[in-house]
Amino acid sequence: GEDVEQSLFLSVREGDSSVINCTYTDSSSTYLYWYKQEPGAGLQLLTYIFSNMDMKQDQRLTVLLNKKDKHLSLRIADTQTGDSAIYFCAEIPGGYNKLIFGAGTRLAVHP
Amino acid sequence: EAQVTQNPRYLITVTGKKLTVTCSQNMNHEYMSWYRQDPGLGLRQIYYSMNVEVTDKGDVPEGYKVSRKEKRNFPLILESPSPNQTSLYFCASSSSGSYNEQFFGPGTRLTVL
Repeated sequence: GEDVEQSLFLSVREGDSSVINCTYTDSSSTYLYWYKQEPGAGLQLLTYIFSNMDMKQDQRLTVLLNKKDKHLSLRIADTQTGDSAIYFCAEIPGGYNKLIFGAGTRLAVHP
Repeated sequence: EAQVTQNPRYLITVTGKKLTVTCSQNMNHEYMSWYRQDPGLGLRQIYYSMNVEVTDKGDVPEGYKVSRKEKRNFPLILESPSPNQTSLYFCASSSSGSYNEQFFGPGTRLTVL
C-alpha cells in the first residue's frame, strides 16, 4: 500500500546543514514533494523533484532522489532560525488523485 | 492575490451540532481537496473534487460530507460531529496539470466537546 515515512524530529545548530530523510513505497510516483509548515500556518510547497531526476538544487535547498531505494532527502545549507518548521515529504501515487504525506519532521534550529 | 481561504479559523462546538467549514479559491482551479492533520499521522485526505459536481472519497471520509456546486467553493460538512473529529483541517486546490502543486488554506482548528 501507499506509505511515506520520515523521522519526526531533527535538531541542528544555526549555520549547519540539515538533512531530512524520507522513504516512500510507490515506485510509479511521478513527482515527489517537500512541503513546509510554519507554526499556525498552512502548508507551502518548498520544492519538488520529477521522478526521472537524481538531484535538484534551488539556492540553499538540495533534493536527492534514489529511486532504487525509494529514498528522498532534503538538505538545507546554512540553516537559519527561520527554517524552523515542520517539513512534509509527499508523493502522488500512480493512478491516484491525492497527495500521500509523511508524518512530518519537526526541524528545530538552535544558536 | 492568489489564495485559498477557509472559515472559520477556529471553532469549538459540541457533539452532534451540525457545522460547515467553508473553503474558497480564486485561482480557477479544477481540483480541490480536504485534509485533516493529526499529530504523528501527517495529513490524510478526507474528500476531493475533480471539478464541479464531481466529488469522491479520500482515505478518511466517515462522518464528513462535501459539495461542489461552484468551481471556487468546496465546503466541508459535519452533520453530527464527534470528539474524534477534533483536528486541524486544511483545504487545498490545484490545477489539473501533471505538476500538481497544491495550494493550501491557512487551516481550521476544530474542537468537538
